[in-house]
Amino acid sequence: NAGVTQTPKFRILKIGQSMTLQCAQDMNHNYMYWYRQDPGMGLKLIYYSVGAGITDKGEVPNGYNVSRSTTEDFPLRLELAAPSQTSVYFCASRRLSNTEAFFGQGTRLTVV
Amino acid sequence: GQQVMQIPQYQHVQEGEDFTTYCNSSTTLSNIQWYKQRPGGHPVFLIQLVKSGEVKKQKRLTFQFGEAKKNSSLHITATQTTDVGTYFCEVTGNQFYFGTGTSLTVIP
Repeated sequence: NAGVTQTPKFRILKIGQSMTLQCAQDMNHNYMYWYRQDPGMGLKLIYYSVGAGITDKGEVPNGYNVSRSTTEDFPLRLELAAPSQTSVYFCASRRLSNTEAFFGQGTRLTVV
Repeated sequence: GQQVMQIPQYQHVQEGEDFTTYCNSSTTLSNIQWYKQRPGGHPVFLIQLVKSGEVKKQKRLTFQFGEAKKNSSLHITATQTTDVGTYFCEVTGNQFYFGTGTSLTVIP
């Protein structure tokens, strides 16, 4: 099993550009999450999904969108990149609502 | 909403000293998870605590869940340079909430 795979690992965007951060897991987990982590800070939940076709907002959803068309994939879309979105983005999944989360390696995004 | 406080925010210790981080919640928790994030890395699951008063050990790491299930601690005995990183608690209520983390620096 590869676990949780995120692509790309690094990306530089110009203000106003759009991009999609990819996340895939091969563990057949229903629950998937997107977090952002600013330097020296904790993890803030952007969006989460409890199964294919179901998504919901977390703490900081503004400026982002997600979709969950399959159990495996949970892409995060940035439509109009802003410098405030410079961060490290982590995707995570878990099998059940009360089990441990598995994290991807992260995507380091810089908006200039 | 759920309030999760983790203290201290930073801790510098000499190698061989002990270290403790605390996670405190404003509400009663179903369970709590602890994660470690090495510098430049991603959070990695360490352990889950479920029962009131539960104590679990992993080599030099001791995890404890409070009797009221509102707080937890992670204690490292005789720190080593490999312990460097940020330790996060994650609590389960209506959603999952991560604590703000404790960054541990170990001075050789």
